Amino acid sequence: GAGVSQSPRYKVAKRGQDVALRCDPISGHVSLFWYQQALGQGPEFLTYFQNEAQLDKSGLPSDRFFAERPEGSVSTLKIQRTQQEDSAVYLCASSILPGTEAFFGQGTRLTVV
Amino acid sequence: AQKVTQAQTEISVVEKEDVTLDCVYETRDTTYYLFWYKQPPSGELVFLIRRNSFDEQNEISGRYSWNFQKSTSSFNFTITASQVVDSAVYFCALSDRTGNQFYFGTGTSLTVIP
Repeated sequence: GAGVSQSPRYKVAKRGQDVALRCDPISGHVSLFWYQQALGQGPEFLTYFQNEAQLDKSGLPSDRFFAERPEGSVSTLKIQRTQQEDSAVYLCASSILPGTEAFFGQGTRLTVV
Repeated sequence: AQKVTQAQTEISVVEKEDVTLDCVYETRDTTYYLFWYKQPPSGELVFLIRRNSFDEQNEISGRYSWNFQKSTSSFNFTITASQVVDSAVYFCALSDRTGNQFYFGTGTSLTVIP
């Protein structure tokens, strides 16, 4: 596609529910990133993939967060047993190669009630 | 450790004024990359510029210009003759040579008043 596509755009989850957020990166982009952005804050790193390999998951806040990119293209961020503190915008970005500029999707706004 | 500081939280200017957004970074790497992104109210982060650590040339793109100074670890962004459409949150970011992660500042919210 022309840009990074994320779905859904908005998600309301009840506390304790599992959610799955999808990211469709720009075709051919090697690098894929997930970021979390709280209201009024800058994006915070969650995890990084180079093709299908998850090279860095140091930003995942707990073992309730899990990300995958099995075929090196589409990625899914899964949050199990959601908590209110998980409410945020989740941003996905891709770049053609490591070190180049990343292009971001519009994000998924997750609200846990 | 990598760190980006944007000391200006909010700035308001009147249309047609020039405005400079400050960015100071910290890194121990000799090879790194610096970026500026714009986040309008729609929420999508829009890429503006990428600069590597070996290129200290200033850059101008239309009304936008960037001043990179390694001596002060700064990468400042100037908008000349600001317009209402420039109203957004602007983020400065740093990536190390691996490119595995972008470190973002906390952003500067710019409001251009007509």
